[in-house]
Amino acid sequence: QSALTQPPSASGSPGQSVAISCTGISGDVGAYTYVSWYQQHPGKAPKLIIYEVTKRPSGVPDRFTGSKSGNTASLTVSGLQAEDEADYYCSSSFAGSTHVVFGGGTKLTVL
Amino acid sequence: EVQMVESGGGLVQPGGSLRLACAASGFRFSGFWVSWVRQAPGKGLEWVASTNEDGSQTYYVDSVKGRFTISRDNAKSSLYLQMDRLRVEDTAVYYCPRDTGFFTFTYWGQGALVTVSS
Repeated sequence: QSALTQPPSASGSPGQSVAISCTGISGDVGAYTYVSWYQQHPGKAPKLIIYEVTKRPSGVPDRFTGSKSGNTASLTVSGLQAEDEADYYCSSSFAGSTHVVFGGGTKLTVL
Repeated sequence: EVQMVESGGGLVQPGGSLRLACAASGFRFSGFWVSWVRQAPGKGLEWVASTNEDGSQTYYVDSVKGRFTISRDNAKSSLYLQMDRLRVEDTAVYYCPRDTGFFTFTYWGQGALVTVSS
C-alpha cells in the first residue's frame, strides 16, 4: 500500500495555470484506474473536485481538469483565483481493489 | 441534503479504546459503501477502513488491522469505528466519507478529533 508522490508545494499568480502531479499510479493489467482529487481549505473537510481521472462533480468549476499519462496523474487549475489556495490530494484505486492510497498533498499558493 | 456527522472523539491514553460513530442522512445509507479516513495534525489524508453496503465486507489499512473494527447499522443509518490498543500515532481527525464507487469519497463530515496521549 505505497503512497502516491506529489510535490509539496506549487504556486501561481491570479489568472495563470498550474499543474500538480501525482506519481505512482498503478493497477492490475487491463484494470481501469480510478484517480480522484480533493481540495482542502485550512480547518475544513476535503472536497472532491475530480473523480475517475477526468470527471468533475456537479458544481466544480471547469477551471479544474484532470488527466493521466502512464503512472502519473495531473490536476490542472486554470485561471487561478485567490480561493483556489488550498491543499490538494490525489488518490488512486482500481477495479477490484480493496484499498485506496492518497498522495502526500500539495499546498497551492496563489501569489 | 447529504450529511455525514462524526462523533465520539476525545482524549485517550495509549493502549486505551474509543468508539467513533458517524450519523448519515439525506440518502439511502444501505445503498453505499462508507469509509473512515484520518488526518494527523499537519499531515495528509490516510485511508483507514471501508465497508460495503451490508457490512459483510470490511477492509483495513495494514497499520490498524487487528486493532480497529469498522461496522455499520443500516437501520440507524450509522457507521462505527471501534478503536482498541490505541497508539500515539493514531492521533488524528477521523472522517467518515460516503463512497460513490471505487473509493471515490463524495461527501465528508467535519471529522472527529482523536488524541492519544498520556
